[in-house]
Amino acid sequence: DGGITQSPKYLFRKEGQNVTLSCEQNLNHDAMYWYRQDPGQGLRLIYYSQIVNDFQKGDIAEGYSVSREKKESFPLTVTSAQKNPTAFYLCASSIETGYGYTFGSGTRLTVV
Amino acid sequence: DAKTTQPTSMDCAEGRAANLPCNHSTISGNEYVYWYRQIHSQGPQYIIHGLKNNETNEMASLIITEDRKSSTLILPHATLRDTAVYYCIVRVDQGAQKLVFGQGTRLTINP
Repeated sequence: DGGITQSPKYLFRKEGQNVTLSCEQNLNHDAMYWYRQDPGQGLRLIYYSQIVNDFQKGDIAEGYSVSREKKESFPLTVTSAQKNPTAFYLCASSIETGYGYTFGSGTRLTVV
Repeated sequence: DAKTTQPTSMDCAEGRAANLPCNHSTISGNEYVYWYRQIHSQGPQYIIHGLKNNETNEMASLIITEDRKSSTLILPHATLRDTAVYYCIVRVDQGAQKLVFGQGTRLTINP
């Protein structure tokens, strides 16, 4: 079945370490997105990519970096520059036009 | 993209219809209304979308007013599993337009 896979589901890191969250899709979608969600809050866009080797900053890109070397993959690196990295991270993808986004199941990152 | 306004929370009895309102008074002619829901600690799930006609699928119905300034998502026979946060979003259905999520409505279905 087609879908989006995020791994791992839970991730713990020490403060000051960079960490990379994986997002893979086999839906043949061109566009991919990373969102952050804090407790009791809505989703906020970090980065998005419309096509391979191209990506744009979202509303809260500071302290994050991404790459899009393959259509299927859009990894997110949370760097040590991100002041408050503990959050729930969601990856999504979409075709150029259509019924909207397909989301992964999320990665819950805790930095101690 | 136009901004949406939703109630913060709602309650509904199991088996009854849940009607979730959304105001989008600044919606433009080419913007669609989308509804997603997020069950606790999961990724949001697409429910339904529409432009100006009412829409129905196996999950829900979407009623859009004639002036398109508001809409209502209807879950016809709510179950406990429908307890979730429901997001109403308007966006142009063109290109890889990003979805902008507001706070949504926290719907609680009571037994």
